[in-house]
Amino acid sequence: DAGVIQSPRHEVTEMGQEVTLRCKPISGHNSLFWYRQTMMRGLELLIYFNNNVPIDDSGMPEDRFSAKMPNASFSTLKIQPSEPRDSAVYFCASSFGTTITPETQYFGPGTRLLVL
Amino acid sequence: AQKITQTQPGMFVQEKEAVTLDCTYDTSDQSYGLFWYKQPSSGEMIFLIYQGSYDEQNATEGRYSLNFQKARKSANLVISASQLGDSAMYFCAMRAVYGNNRLAFGKGNQVVVIP
Repeated sequence: DAGVIQSPRHEVTEMGQEVTLRCKPISGHNSLFWYRQTMMRGLELLIYFNNNVPIDDSGMPEDRFSAKMPNASFSTLKIQPSEPRDSAVYFCASSFGTTITPETQYFGPGTRLLVL
Repeated sequence: AQKITQTQPGMFVQEKEAVTLDCTYDTSDQSYGLFWYKQPSSGEMIFLIYQGSYDEQNATEGRYSLNFQKARKSANLVISASQLGDSAMYFCAMRAVYGNNRLAFGKGNQVVVIP
């Protein structure tokens, strides 16, 4: 079975440009998560969706960041305008949630973003 | 709020030996899950093992086992018979059963396996 798919795998852009990261979760999973990883701050949860609805976006740094999940098989994370401090690895993860157990999140390969 | 602590410095391990990675956590939740992930130099996050707070047995998955001591709030990962491919960063994480889906991660343990 295909795991979580992210694109692009690498992105280099200039400050001020719009960046769009894409994610396809594992089929059948109902929760989707966007994380950012940097050396300084480690892994941070930016936002997560349950059944395509944003549940917790308290980790989104500022208004320059936005995320959507138009359907169960696709999500985007957009940064507009991008800044050098946004340079990081962005992970998408998905899980199948129940109310009984904390489900395992499976991560995509990540998108390495460099903003010059 | 949940907090995960991984404070070991980078570790060098001889191939075929066992290694234990420490993880302590702090939570007020009664029901929670503990996870370990592996991140090799290629960057992907690979799920290794899960332990539920009410599981009586320690979790095992192949060469990975979790030494769960609930009273001490520790969930150490044991890798037996280390292989060169085990060289990676290892992250401990936890999530409450009830409440939001937020997974709290530790800072990670670096392991280098030497032949």
